[in-house]
Amino acid sequence: ETGVTQSPTHLIKTRGQQVTLRCSSQSGHNTVSWYQQALGQGPQFIFQYYREEENGRGNFPPRFSGLQFPNYSSELNVNALELDDSALYLCASSLPGPLTYEQYFGPGTRLTVT
Amino acid sequence: AQRVTQPEKLLSVFKGAPVELKCNYSYSGSPELFWYVQYSRQRLQLLLRHISRESIKGFTADLNKGETSFHLKKPFAQEEDSAMYYCALKDNQGGKLIFGQGTELSVKP
Repeated sequence: ETGVTQSPTHLIKTRGQQVTLRCSSQSGHNTVSWYQQALGQGPQFIFQYYREEENGRGNFPPRFSGLQFPNYSSELNVNALELDDSALYLCASSLPGPLTYEQYFGPGTRLTVT
Repeated sequence: AQRVTQPEKLLSVFKGAPVELKCNYSYSGSPELFWYVQYSRQRLQLLLRHISRESIKGFTADLNKGETSFHLKKPFAQEEDSAMYYCALKDNQGGKLIFGQGTELSVKP
């Protein structure tokens, strides 16, 4: 069984730039959720993808967008980066429906915006 | 608004002492609550869910709807329990999890 993987592990970008983060879901999982975790805070839900469609979105602006591919891997794109976007970005995969509560997290991508 | 509150950022106890990590929630409807744990250099992982009413690694958590709480308890803390603990609430729309700020548990020898 392959766990959730994320790339890259660390990233430094300049304000105004765009970034793409990647996630491979755990084998057999077709649902992927993305979270932003600022320092000292709990993870905050960005959005979830199920079968390549967005299936719920948190309180994040449209410059945060995502994709899910047929193999269930996913991307998080952030445009026009701001300093406050500096955070750990977590990807989590799960089975759909009532089993979504058990989310399997990746190690995260640490994004620093300067 | 749906919200999870963990009032303690850090809880420090000695090995063998009882532990209670507090969690309060705000939710309209029937809540589904969970505790997630992150050990040092490991990923965030599910510890337990209130529906299963099970004990995992000696931890239990009871949902108290009257007090809107879901505190995590263990009668005798062990050093390997040292970790970040997050209380989470499942949103009734989709699979969104709402996390608290987390409590760092430090168990001293």
